[in-house]
Amino acid sequence: AQTVTQSQPEMSVQEAETVTLSCTYDTSESDYYLFWYKQPPSRQMILVIRQEAYKQQNATENRFSVNFQKAAKSFSLKISDSQLGDAAMYFCAYYGGATNKLIFGTGTLLAVQP
Amino acid sequence: DVKVTQSSRYLVKRTGEKVFLECVQDMDHENMFWYRQDPGLGLRLIYFSYDVKMKEKGDIPEGYSVSREKKERFSLILESASTNQTSMYLCASRVAGRETQYFGPGTRLLVL
Repeated sequence: AQTVTQSQPEMSVQEAETVTLSCTYDTSESDYYLFWYKQPPSRQMILVIRQEAYKQQNATENRFSVNFQKAAKSFSLKISDSQLGDAAMYFCAYYGGATNKLIFGTGTLLAVQP
Repeated sequence: DVKVTQSSRYLVKRTGEKVFLECVQDMDHENMFWYRQDPGLGLRLIYFSYDVKMKEKGDIPEGYSVSREKKERFSLILESASTNQTSMYLCASRVAGRETQYFGPGTRLLVL
């Protein structure tokens, strides 16, 4: 069965600094998608970035980028120039055709210090 | 923009009550989902629906049922609420066959 592991329950970063959130996953599928979702306090969960496993190039969305290591089954999120509005719970998620559903990690709570 | 709305942000119910959580999406998505979110456990899938009147159990369906009479609306039902169902409930929807899901704001349910 597919699993997603986020080993950092909490992280903290200074405003304007860079932080990396870790995510590892386990799967026997070769074709799948990986996601990072952001859930701000008392606000809606939104998609930050997604990666298609067959693409070697790492996805980037403005200040957010991923380091996708398919062989290592690792999918970390890098936030550059951190802003106060980046403070949130971040979830890593996996989607594969075999299960046809999203499998989530346990989340990393990111605090941004002014 | 996709919009997924949930009927209540906060709800307080008593043990044994029947509870209805409503979710509506406005993008004509075929697939809809109900998740439960608990600290340290992430999101766990309760039920999902591929289309109207279709439903499938997720990973933790015990104590819950669902209803999907119209394409835009997916209801989660707690037949007899219990204290261990105190949680945050998230609804999501997506286009059939696509991998990206869009989430509602969540309903924080407290069962006393």
